[in-house]
Amino acid sequence: SQQGEEDPQALSIQEGENATMNCSYKTSINNLQWYRQNSGRGLVHLILIRSNEREKHSGRLRVTLDTSKKSSSLLITASRAADTASYFCATASNDYKLSFGAGTTVTVRA
Amino acid sequence: DAGITQSPRHKVTETGTPVTLRCHQTENHRYMYWYRQDPGHGLRLIHYSYGVKDTDKGEVSDGYSVSRSKTEDFLLTLESATSSQTSVYFCAIQPDRGEQYFGPGTRLTVT
Repeated sequence: SQQGEEDPQALSIQEGENATMNCSYKTSINNLQWYRQNSGRGLVHLILIRSNEREKHSGRLRVTLDTSKKSSSLLITASRAADTASYFCATASNDYKLSFGAGTTVTVRA
Repeated sequence: DAGITQSPRHKVTETGTPVTLRCHQTENHRYMYWYRQDPGHGLRLIHYSYGVKDTDKGEVSDGYSVSRSKTEDFLLTLESATSSQTSVYFCAIQPDRGEQYFGPGTRLTVT
């Protein structure tokens, strides 16, 4: 069964706005990762946050992790048309197996 | 794309026929994975390998087998394809403790 669940399932925003999506999971984790998938392509790794970290930044991406609530959020600031994609969270209970959520589809309108 | 190729990229086959998908890496990493992606389900792990001849099942392994006779190749076989195995199949590698790198995918249609 899938560990992570993203919310919302779909998100439509104007270019320049921020996009926030959330991931909830059920059991304890070693780390949590976010991936992006453009239509018809493979997944691309965005950011990894370990269970002992609370926040991580990478460019316009900000990820938070709250292990007490078993949840994570991904914030994309100042969105661009190129950010249109599906975003997946993946949880790792050990270092070598991931469990993916069903994803959030983000559409950035020009 | 992290040196991962998948072949074929597209395949249409009939119910009951065997199908083998190939994943090839140029990076010589120990861990390799096969996932399937279906609408509403995200990616689900089929099988993975942690070395030559070392494989283990994922959450949706029924109807699939794998083999890894060389570090660089990880094969996924559908012994007798069914319509429920129509999906997009992704291979991935994991260099170290952390992120995975994905191939471009194989779109399989079983008619």
